[in-house]
Amino acid sequence: DAKTTQPTSMDCAEGRAANLPCNHSTISGNEYVYWYRQIHSQGPQYIIHGLKNNETNEMASLIITEDRKSSTLILPHATLRDTAVYYCIVREGGSQGNLIFGKGTKLSVKP
Amino acid sequence: DTGVSQNPRHKITKRGQNVTFRCDPISEHNRLYWYRQTLGQGPEFLTYFQNEAQLEKSRLLSDRFSAERPKGSFSTLEIQRTEQGDSAMYLCASSYKRGGIRDLGELFFGEGSRLTVL
Repeated sequence: DAKTTQPTSMDCAEGRAANLPCNHSTISGNEYVYWYRQIHSQGPQYIIHGLKNNETNEMASLIITEDRKSSTLILPHATLRDTAVYYCIVREGGSQGNLIFGKGTKLSVKP
Repeated sequence: DTGVSQNPRHKITKRGQNVTFRCDPISEHNRLYWYRQTLGQGPEFLTYFQNEAQLEKSRLLSDRFSAERPKGSFSTLEIQRTEQGDSAMYLCASSYKRGGIRDLGELFFGEGSRLTVL
């Protein structure tokens, strides 16, 4: 079973920041937080991951709370092309295993 | 730039027939994963390979399913005696794991092969 809880859906206005929350209250010390997204009819796409520090790349920022029990993915200036299902996943670093996806958050960016 | 390629993109078959899907990973990637996704659900893990070795199989992978990666490059997923419940998108992903280096979990997915069983 997925170890994360996410809202089923969210709306965001085009050009505004999209803040997608994720709860992972049972995360253990060696588990990373990963974010993927899936645009309709495409395969999932990696966005970002982190362990305890906040992370930023060209796509998004990841803010992890100090207790690591929750995180927020931030898309700073959402566009219509960011409409997708966003998956938050926790996984042990160095694990040989797979990523376990939940149902994710359906983000709709509206003009 | 060649990403992960999957064929066929769509397959319609009758119940009881066998189907085979092919996945060509990114060329230098040594890990290859198969996932299944039904409507409204997230992808579900089926199996994964490191080079030609199949290292993990999900309980979802019944004995009607078989996956191979004979030379550590492309992979095939065969479903025998298809059932209507097998209708889904079958996703392939690949990644690169260097020896002794932590796997950072960045998987590159293909666009999937959609199976419809009538």
